[in-house]
Amino acid sequence: GENVEQHPSTLSVQEGDSAVIKCTYSDSASNYFPWYKQELGKRPQLIIDIRSNVGEKKDQRIAVTLNKTAKHFSLHITETQPEDSAVYFCAARFGNEKLTFGTGTRLTIIP
Amino acid sequence: DTAVSQTPKYLVTQMGNDKSIKCEQNLGHDTMYWYKQDSKKFLKIMFSYNNKELIINETVPNRFSPKSPDKAHLNLHINSLELGDSAVYFCASSRLDRSQAFFGQGTRLTVV
Repeated sequence: GENVEQHPSTLSVQEGDSAVIKCTYSDSASNYFPWYKQELGKRPQLIIDIRSNVGEKKDQRIAVTLNKTAKHFSLHITETQPEDSAVYFCAARFGNEKLTFGTGTRLTIIP
Repeated sequence: DTAVSQTPKYLVTQMGNDKSIKCEQNLGHDTMYWYKQDSKKFLKIMFSYNNKELIINETVPNRFSPKSPDKAHLNLHINSLELGDSAVYFCASSRLDRSQAFFGQGTRLTVV
């Protein structure tokens, strides 16, 4: 089955700096890669996703890049703000199979 | 107008009891899931239902029994609760293509 590794497990960045979270996946057939943000005590919510036919996708301060050859994808958050503090999860899925989540990254933005 | 709602939000119960968590989605999705999030925040899928049919059962003890009376509802019944069952349980739903998953607000289960 699919295995998704996520690094780092914790990340602290100064407000205004950029944050990068990386994930690798094992199943080369995986074709859908979403990122979820989970604030303390809240539900995970989708912030951006990318499909395997695209190398990069951007939405304001958030971008995701995908390297299919290396089987890794990354989340980039620029100009970080205190409200970006949360746990971020990557995930991968092949076709109609289950969504496999990474182990999460606790991002802390230091004011 | 909550998209995916689950009840209760908090559940504290003694070992050995039987409890249920309910989930409903009003998004018209065909697929519903139960996830378990442990104290380390790991999100693991437990079950997936597609139009009331069980699709995924991830080596979950048979004390856990999901029930889907219709495609808008997926309930989770747990028998003989154990301390290790303490976690946050999330219900979620998605379209048939299993793209974006929408999560409920979670049920924090504490077994004492």
